[in-house]
Amino acid sequence: EDQVTQSPEALRLQEGESSSLNCSYTVSGLRGLFWYRQDPGKGPEFLFTLYSAGEEKEKERLKATLTKKESFLHITAPKPEDSATYLCAVQASSAAGANNLFFGTGTRLTVIP
Amino acid sequence: DTAVSQTPKYLVTQMGNDKSIKCEQNLGHDTMYWYKQDSKKFLKIMFSYNNKELIINETVPNRFSPKSPDKAHLNLHINSLELGDSAVYFCASSQTALSGIQYFGAGTRLSVL
Repeated sequence: EDQVTQSPEALRLQEGESSSLNCSYTVSGLRGLFWYRQDPGKGPEFLFTLYSAGEEKEKERLKATLTKKESFLHITAPKPEDSATYLCAVQASSAAGANNLFFGTGTRLTVIP
Repeated sequence: DTAVSQTPKYLVTQMGNDKSIKCEQNLGHDTMYWYKQDSKKFLKIMFSYNNKELIINETVPNRFSPKSPDKAHLNLHINSLELGDSAVYFCASSQTALSGIQYFGAGTRLSVL
């Protein structure tokens, strides 16, 4: 069964304190791994797509990496505006519902000024 | 101009009532979705429509009935509401049925009393 596990559940960082969020996945045939950001009271917002092990994507202070079993979202020198819940999702190459996204429960990041 | 808009934003109702949530996207996308996010922030797909046709119907009680009058609209009607239906419901859209890059609405918080 396809599964996505994110850790930690919550993370508090001082402004400027770099860290990483983890997304472990079990899926039969990975079509893509996606990172989304969700602010309170809003819908998830797309950040990155990764398709194969070794791939990396960067955007401002965020960098996403992918291995065969997990993905990391590295946050370098975070700012308070980076505070949000970060969701990881996988898309499987299964025959049924190939466009299904299976989401993890997210990491709630708080960056303290 | 909001890309994916859903109404209402809040919905408070009594058990046993019937209610509808509306969703519209102005992105010209072919595919639309309904997701349910529970109190633990777990986001799970309920339905997916591609060009007005149902392509994903997860294990959802048949009290939930989606309707897509055209590819820019996907509404969700819920009959005989139960306490367990309380959640945030998100509408989303993607360019194609295979794309994992989805654009979400702001959500409808449903509270069943």
